[in-house]
This record gives sequence, C-alpha cells and structure tokens, in this order.
Amino acid sequence: GQQVMQIPQYQHVQEGEDFTTYCNSSTTLSNIQWYKQRPGGHPVFLIQLVKSGEVKKQKRLTFQFGEAKKNSSLHITATQTTDVGTYFCAGNDYKLSFGAGTTVTVRA
Amino acid sequence: DAGVIQSPRHEVTEMGQEVTLRCKPISGHDYLFWYRQTMMRGLELLIYFNNNVPIDDSGMPEDRFSAKMPNASFSTLKIQPSEPRDSAVYFCASSYDSAHQPQHFGDGTRLSIL
Repeated sequence: GQQVMQIPQYQHVQEGEDFTTYCNSSTTLSNIQWYKQRPGGHPVFLIQLVKSGEVKKQKRLTFQFGEAKKNSSLHITATQTTDVGTYFCAGNDYKLSFGAGTTVTVRA
Repeated sequence: DAGVIQSPRHEVTEMGQEVTLRCKPISGHDYLFWYRQTMMRGLELLIYFNNNVPIDDSGMPEDRFSAKMPNASFSTLKIQPSEPRDSAVYFCASSYDSAHQPQHFGDGTRLSIL
C-alpha cells in the first residue's frame, strides 16, 4: 500500500534561519496536501499541489511537488516563533496517507 | 460557518469501560474520517465514510472498535471494552472528497484510559 515518509522528524531552528522538510511516497501520487498542527491543536490544511513540478508560495512558505509526483518539500524562510508546530504532508491516491510529520521548534 | 464539532474534548475512564466519541461534520461534506494520533504511531486513519456508508475500515485496530454514521450530521466511534493502550487523541475530519479536497479537522478528543 501507499506509504508516505517524511524527514526530518524534528527540526530545531534558530529564529531567522531557513529550513526544509521533505516528503517521499512509495507510489506516484495524484496530489499532495500539507497541513500544520500547532501544539495542542488539530491539523489545519495549508495547501494542495496537483501538477508535476508545481511550486506554490504562501508568504515565507514554499511548497514543491516533484516531477515524478512521488516527493514534495516545504521550505520556510526566515523562521519565526509563529512557525512552531508539526508539519504533515499527506499523499493522495484514492485516500490521504499522512506522513509522520516534522516537528519544528524555534530558538529565539 | 461551524467547523467539525467533536465531543467530549477530554475523556478519562477506567479500563474495561465503554467509550463513545462523537462527531458532527461540516454541513454538506460527503466524507467523514476518524483518526487516532499518538506519539508512537503518529496520525492513523481508522475509518472513513462516504454518504454515511463506511468505505474503508482497514485502519480499525480490532473488534473492540466500531464506528457508525446514522445520518449525514452525526458519527460515533465506540471502544468497548477500553484498554490503556487506546489512550490517544482521536480526531474527526470531514471533506467534500476523499482525496482531492482539504480535510477539516475537529479539535479532537483526548482520551485517557486508566
């Protein structure tokens, strides 16, 4: 069955620095979604990527879908304390399969 | 608009007791999902419904778990009998589509089995 692997599991970032989290699927995906979960909260949808090689930006967040539609990345520039939380990718064939998430902490 | 509503927010009970978690999806959403989240296993899909019909229950851990959706605005997840290893946060989510539309999550039920 479809498996979605996400790395790193933890990311400790100095405020102001950039970081990237990666998502890899064992199968080709029809699309991929990204979610953010704040500590004590619930996952909240951020974005969906559909096309091969697609790149989308939300302010300091850049999302990319690989050419083969088997991997994706989320890059955050100039990390802020508001970026704290766990970022999940979720790959789609006929249903969503969530990765394990990257938990981000920020050093002020 | 109201989001996905789950109740209770917290539940603490002794092992062996029956636990019932409740969910009201967003009006108009055809799909409803139940997830379990733990530190060890992450976010696991337990079961999902389309138009009140269970489509995939392959994630349901064992026979102690059951889920129903008697109508478009209500679903329950029941654990009977409960065990300490069932302690987790249980999320309900709903969407217009199983795979191509965003899922909207409720605030979750934090379940502790003593």
